[in-house]
Amino acid sequence: EVQLVESGGGLVQPGGSLRVSCAASGFTFSDSSMSWVRQAPGKGLEWVANINQDGSVKYYLDSVRGRFAVSRDNAKNSVFLQMSSLRADDTAVYYCARDSGIYRYFVSWGRGSLVSVSS
Amino acid sequence: DIQMTQSPSTLSASVGDRVIITCRASQSIGRWLAWYQQKPGKAPKLLIYKASTLESGVPSRFSGSGSGTEFTLTISSLQPDDFATYYCQQHNSYPITFGQGTRLEIK
Repeated sequence: EVQLVESGGGLVQPGGSLRVSCAASGFTFSDSSMSWVRQAPGKGLEWVANINQDGSVKYYLDSVRGRFAVSRDNAKNSVFLQMSSLRADDTAVYYCARDSGIYRYFVSWGRGSLVSVSS
Repeated sequence: DIQMTQSPSTLSASVGDRVIITCRASQSIGRWLAWYQQKPGKAPKLLIYKASTLESGVPSRFSGSGSGTEFTLTISSLQPDDFATYYCQQHNSYPITFGQGTRLEIK
């Protein structure tokens, strides 16, 4: 069974930093491209970042480029989102999602980790 | 960036009804469109990809169609478990973008 488990969310002050992690199991992690998708409270889904199988190619939403960094550790079956210079509008549930490969849709999702940016 | 627009934003329907949700792209995306179902407090669930391919395990009452800029999700006979929010997503190019969602509620 595919499992994606996020951790590391919490309350952070504006301008602060936080790292969310996603531990994967039930599939060959090193063969899978991974993404982060977020959802602000009461709002819709917003794709944030993608990393390819070996970590050599990354894509970002314009509004987070330069502030967020996606990385992965294939030996530990984990993907990470390092967030810095956080703003109130970054407040959201952050979902880790397994990509379909080259087709860029999301076949599996974690339960999400809430990041709240507030003073 | 490709903008995705869903209609309606809210849809009221009854068990057994046939419902159609529309998704329009701001430019052609071929057939690179996915649909998801999300229930409150839960992660989204993939229903359909490449416009019309049903994900494994998804009931056959769900179907998708369309190409280019206009797409539809049809639920042929609503079941109680189908009341949820539905999102379309273009998987043609980065940045990946979603529609704003359609909330399907019980009439």
